[in-house]
Amino acid sequence: NAGVTQTPKFQVLKTGQSMTLQCAQDMNHNSMYWYRQDPGMGLRLIYYSASEGTTDKGEVPNGYNVSRLNKREFSLRLESAAPSQTSVYFCASRFIPGLAGGSSYNEQFFGPGTRLTVL
Amino acid sequence: KNEVEQSPQNLTAQEGEFITINCSYSVGISALHWLQQHPGGGIVSLFMLSSGKKKHGRLIATINIQEKHSSLHITASHPRDSAVYICAVHAQTSGSRLTFGEGTQLTVNP
Repeated sequence: NAGVTQTPKFQVLKTGQSMTLQCAQDMNHNSMYWYRQDPGMGLRLIYYSASEGTTDKGEVPNGYNVSRLNKREFSLRLESAAPSQTSVYFCASRFIPGLAGGSSYNEQFFGPGTRLTVL
Repeated sequence: KNEVEQSPQNLTAQEGEFITINCSYSVGISALHWLQQHPGGGIVSLFMLSSGKKKHGRLIATINIQEKHSSLHITASHPRDSAVYICAVHAQTSGSRLTFGEGTQLTVNP
């Protein structure tokens, strides 16, 4: 199993350019998350997808859009990049059992991160 | 005030020392995670706990739900333990989302 994979690992953009960060997981997880990490701050949730076909805003969604393409893939798009979006972006996934039983709070697995610089 | 506060922010230790990192939170939680972020940036989950204590090798995590406090202990610390340690909670009102502390930078010198 590759776990959670992200592409690209590094990216430099000019202000106003657009790009899509890709994330995929092969663990059959139903929930996926996009975070950003900035110096002096904890990880902050941008968007998440609790299950295939649903997406919801997190703490800092402005300037981003997401697509849950299928159960495996969850992409993050910057339509018009700004210097304030310079950050390290992490994708994560985990399995949330249904109401039938089991813990709802399973381990979350993280991708290796994408270091994005917007000039 | 952040919902999840960690202390200390930075910690330097000598190899072999016993290390404690603390996490306090201000909301009702269903579970708490300890994560480790390596110098290369990768994040791995160390523990998830909702009560009591868990142990894995030289790592021990404890939680006191009444006091809203958790500790991560490292026994016989080693330079390879140098990393950022992050506390995160599932708040009871936040569904599946995690709220993260800012992390504790640990440096263990040989």
